[in-house]
Amino acid sequence: DVKVTQSSRYLVKRTGEKVFLECVQDMDHENMFWYRQDPGLGLRLIYFSYDVKMKEKGDIPEGYSVSREKKERFSLILESASTNQTSMYLCASSVSQGGYGYTFGSGTRLTVV
Amino acid sequence: SQQGEEDPQALSIQEGENATMNCSYKTSINNLQWYRQNSGRGLVHLILIRSNEREKHSGRLRVTLDTSKKSSSLLITASRAADTASYFCATEGLSGSRLTFGEGTQLTVNP
Repeated sequence: DVKVTQSSRYLVKRTGEKVFLECVQDMDHENMFWYRQDPGLGLRLIYFSYDVKMKEKGDIPEGYSVSREKKERFSLILESASTNQTSMYLCASSVSQGGYGYTFGSGTRLTVV
Repeated sequence: SQQGEEDPQALSIQEGENATMNCSYKTSINNLQWYRQNSGRGLVHLILIRSNEREKHSGRLRVTLDTSKKSSSLLITASRAADTASYFCATEGLSGSRLTFGEGTQLTVNP
């Protein structure tokens, strides 16, 4: 069964810490995405990548960066975690051409205290 | 920016009844997709309907698309308690494979 795996289901970090959220897919998908999900705001796109070493800003990139050194791995980095980054983070992947659905990971619920 | 808007925000029905959720969007699309999310989990792709299609079926799911009204509906027939989840529509714009999601409809199916 194809999979997108997020390294942690729950994470608690302190304000100011540098936080790494890891996402790995085993489907050889070209596209990978990071979303955050908050009540009343739905899913908002943070960053996405269409290829290795390539990244594009989504709708809310401030306070985040990403890394894609290998095709299967897409990392989201919170440079200096803040309480307003407490959220559910969802990673997804898809094939390069449009017209296909996304495969999502199970999500990481991050709490910044 | 939120392209899709689901209606209603929440829906509560009895097992065996049909559930209908609606989605409206603003700009032209290549396709529209529906996803399901169980509480605290990731989203699961349910069905995709292309802009040149009007209706699509998958098991107990029926999706319609009206591009002139920029709207779609998801019908779940003969609902089960296990259908309790949030349902999201997502649109793929004309420029490529990036999806934009709505805020979802919370469906509760009571046994």
